[in-house]
Parts: sequence; structure tokens; C-alpha cells
Amino acid sequence: EVQLVESGGGLIQPGGSLRLSCAASGFTVTNYYMSWVRQAPGKGLEWVSVIYGGGSTYYADSVKGRFTISRDNSKNTLSLQMNSLRAEDTAMYYCVKERPSDPGYFDFWGQGALVTVSS
Amino acid sequence: QVVLTQSPSASASLGASVKLTCTLSSGHSTYTIAWHQQQPEKGPRYLMKLDSDGSHSKGDGIPDRFSGSSSGAERYLTISSLQSEDEADYYCQTWGTGMRVFGGGTKLTVL
Repeated sequence: EVQLVESGGGLIQPGGSLRLSCAASGFTVTNYYMSWVRQAPGKGLEWVSVIYGGGSTYYADSVKGRFTISRDNSKNTLSLQMNSLRAEDTAMYYCVKERPSDPGYFDFWGQGALVTVSS
Repeated sequence: QVVLTQSPSASASLGASVKLTCTLSSGHSTYTIAWHQQQPEKGPRYLMKLDSDGSHSKGDGIPDRFSGSSSGAERYLTISSLQSEDEADYYCQTWGTGMRVFGGGTKLTVL
């Protein structure tokens, strides 16, 4: 059974750093495209970053240069390192798995980790 | 780059059917999309992938009441025999090189 469990969220001051982790089970993270998607309070879904099976990474313009996506093969986890955090980064962050046969389409979501950036 | 447009809200009565629309921007009418459901206070759930010819593949456990269809640049999600638990936000999603894109979402109210 596929499971994605995010952790690492919390309250952080503007300018600070936070690292989110996503523990995967039921599949191997390195064999799939994996994304992070966020949702600000009361707003819609916003894609943040993707890591391809081969390791290439891409970012939304809003986080480029501040966020880094990575994965740990030994722990079967996906991570998102977030630096220089801003108030507008406040959101629920979801770890998402993409379809194996045609990546680009999300087919499984984690339950989310809440990040609050505030002084 | 591709843009997805959705109406902000829709409503229909319990037991009725509703058809939600996702419109692809000019020049992107052949794109495949995915539909996702987000019930109140929950994370999103994948419903289906929908191709330009109307063929679709649903996620595990998605009821037959949910179906998809396409016409030109429009992608539709039809929910029949509406139930109270169908009251949710519905998002369409697609991708481009090095990016993933969401529509703004449609909030469905079941009357």
C-alpha cells in the first residue's frame, strides 16, 4: 500500500530555514517523479518543485534559489530544504507522487505538513 | 505556458448530476489533464487522468459516479447521483517542461 507521510513543519521566523521530509512506503522514491505542492490558507494548490527519476530538479519561480528538493535513497524519503523563508511561504506542504506510466500527473498525495512563517 | 481555467463555484442538488469544466489556454487544446478532489479539511485525492479524446483512467477506489469527457480545449468532470461527501474543491492539473500547473479550483456545493 502506498503511503506518504510528511514531517518537519512548524512555526519559523521570517528569514529562517526549515526542512520538510516525506517518508514513502509501498514504492521506491527513486523510481518515480516526485513533487512538492503547497496550499496557502484559504487558497488553491500551487506546485513548488519536482525531482525526476534521473535526478533533475525544477522549481516554481516563487521559490527558485531558496528551496532545494532532494531524496535519500537509503531512507526512501523526499525532502524540501526551505531557506530565506517569507510570510508568503506560509502554507500546507504536500508531498506528491506522480504517475509511473506518464509522469507529470499526480496520483497520490500525502496528508501535508503545515509551515507557518511569522515573527 | 499552459494555463488552466476553472469556474470558482458550482452547485447542484443531492442526487442530481453536475459537470465541472477545466479550460486549456490557446494552443494547448490537446493536453491531457488530471482531476483532483479536496474535501473540507483534508488533503487532495487523485480522481482521474483525462485525455483529449475523452479517455480516462481513474484512481483506486474512485466510484463509477465520477467520469470524465473532453471537447476541444474543455475537459469535464461529471459527478452523477451527487452525495453529501462530494461537496469539495475540485482542481484540474497538467504539466509543461519543468513545471506542473493547477487550475484555480471549483468549489462544489451540494444543496
